[in-house]
Amino acid sequence: EVQLVESGGGLVQPGGSLTLSCAASGFTFSNNEMTWVRQAPGKGLEWVSYISSSGTTIYYKDSVKGRFTISRDNAKNSLYLQMNSLRAEDTAVYYCARRVGSWGQGTLVIVSS
Amino acid sequence: DIVLTQSPDSLAVSLGERATISCKSSQSVLYSGNNHNYLSWFQQKPGQPPKLLIYWASTRESGVPDRFSGSGSGTDFTLTISSVQAEDVAVYYCQQYYNTPPYTFGQGTKLEIK
Repeated sequence: EVQLVESGGGLVQPGGSLTLSCAASGFTFSNNEMTWVRQAPGKGLEWVSYISSSGTTIYYKDSVKGRFTISRDNAKNSLYLQMNSLRAEDTAVYYCARRVGSWGQGTLVIVSS
Repeated sequence: DIVLTQSPDSLAVSLGERATISCKSSQSVLYSGNNHNYLSWFQQKPGQPPKLLIYWASTRESGVPDRFSGSGSGTDFTLTISSVQAEDVAVYYCQQYYNTPPYTFGQGTKLEIK
């Protein structure tokens, strides 16, 4: 069974940092392009970042460039999103997702003082 | 960036009736190299994460009931629910994953029972 399990969310003050993790199982992680998608409370879905299967190609949504860093460890079947200089508008549920395929359950990030 | 526009924003359908949701793309998401349309459909019920229903525009994800079907090519796509059930109440999103990011989403369509 394909599983993606996110962790690392929580409450953080504006300007703070947080690192999200996503543990993958049930498929060949190293062959899959991965993304992070977020959903602010009561809003639609928003693509945040992409990483190629090897980790050599990376893209970010404009508003998170320079603040967020996506990475992966294929040996550990894990995906990461390091988030720095967090803003209130980054408050959302963050989902780990295959470029084509299943998503995780999400982890909630709240940026508030 | 590719813009996806869904219509309608909401619809109310009687149980057992057909529901049709449109997703129009600002540019083609058909890759001629493999003849695949890089478009997915998701279902999101309240308090739950999005669930993949359809990928490659018309391939049903394993376990998805066959009353859900996807069609279209290029810039115009449709999600059809042939006989709406009570458990289909949800918000439906299309997403394109063509070429390089950003992989954008439609604004969502809310399905209710009439």
